[in-house]
This record gives sequence, C-alpha cells and structure tokens, in this order.
Amino acid sequence: QRVTQPEKLLSVFKGAPVELKCNYSYSGSPELFWYVQYSRQRLQLLLRHISRESIKGFTADLNKGETSFHLKKPFAQEEDSAMYYCALSPWMNAGNMLTFGGGTRLMVKP
Amino acid sequence: DVKVTQSSRYLVKRTGEKVFLECVQDMDHENMFWYRQDPGLGLRLIYFSYDVKMKEKGDIPEGYSVSREKKERFSLILESASTNQTSMYLCASSMNTEAFFGQGTRLTVV
Repeated sequence: QRVTQPEKLLSVFKGAPVELKCNYSYSGSPELFWYVQYSRQRLQLLLRHISRESIKGFTADLNKGETSFHLKKPFAQEEDSAMYYCALSPWMNAGNMLTFGGGTRLMVKP
Repeated sequence: DVKVTQSSRYLVKRTGEKVFLECVQDMDHENMFWYRQDPGLGLRLIYFSYDVKMKEKGDIPEGYSVSREKKERFSLILESASTNQTSMYLCASSMNTEAFFGQGTRLTVV
C-alpha cells in the first residue's frame, strides 16, 4: 500500500479554490483519511471518506477508478494554512495501521 | 477528550547512547503506534502494537525496538542512537479508525 501526494507545497490567495491531491495504491478496499497539522499543534483528523461530511469547508471524494482522494475547498482562508497528510488504512484492519503520504504544505496568502 | 502524551518535547542525545521515548494514552485504546516525521517523507511507521506485549514491525524498524508492558504505555527505544535518527517522533493511539497523536518529540543526535 502506498499513498502519494504529488505537491510538497501549494500556495494560493485567500478566496481562491484549493485542491490537494492524493493518490493511493492498494489491492483491497481501503479507508481514506485527511489529517492536518496546524503550526505548533499536534496532528489531527480532518475528515474520513466513510463519513462523507464537510469539515471546515473541506470535502474529499473517494474515486476508486482513479484511486484518488483529493481534498477540496471552494474558498481558501488564511487559517487553512497548515500541513496536510493523506492517509490510508486497510478496511477492517485489526491494527488500523495508517500509511501516510509525504504531505502537502498549504500556504494561503492574504 | 483523548490525551496522548509524550514524555519529552525536545531531546538531545549523543551518538551511541541508548534512548527511550515514552508515550502514554488515557483512553484505553488497544492500538498504539510510533512514527517518525521527516520533511518530504511524511510519516513513516516504525512499530505498532495492538495489545499488551504484542508488537509488529512497521516500514522502518531498523535501529529501533519497542516495549508495551501496560496498555496505556508504549515506549520506543533507540538501542544505539545515530545521527540519521535525528527526527520528529510521533506517538499515536487508536481504537477504531481514528488515530490520536501526541505532541511529538524532536530528537537530535549529535
């Protein structure tokens, strides 16, 4: 299993749309997550694909055909600046072992 | 509110020293993990444990060992610290699929 985030850094202006890309490879049916780390804070869950909810204006759709789980927000805010990690866990895995991507730093400029 | 606490925020050790990183969680979670976080590489799993005295190697276990004598405590041990083990170390615990992270220990080996 592997998670790839092709962009190390994404810089946008406030109010612009944001899309953080995530691609994965896994032979079964995975659970996909986005975790976020704000400056000087601990890593925390942002959203997971099974809940299908929008958190802080962010959404992510699992595309099994393209094996992608891109994170989107229509209008970026300065407080969205953070490090974002896409993560995968095998479905119903007893250990719930998460595999993370390399991370994308989002910078939202005023 | 889940608490995962790592014993040290910053640590400086000499090459060849034996180093202990301690992690305690207060939510009776069965699963605990140690990751190292490096820029551009994301989080890489070192070891995880799904029960007391049970452990499994992650992606990069070389040079590390772990101990889980009690459910709430998971220790990472660097048998003989080397400079390439300078990194941020994150502990996490989980019950189902959401992982809760500690604040991290920044270890510098000189």
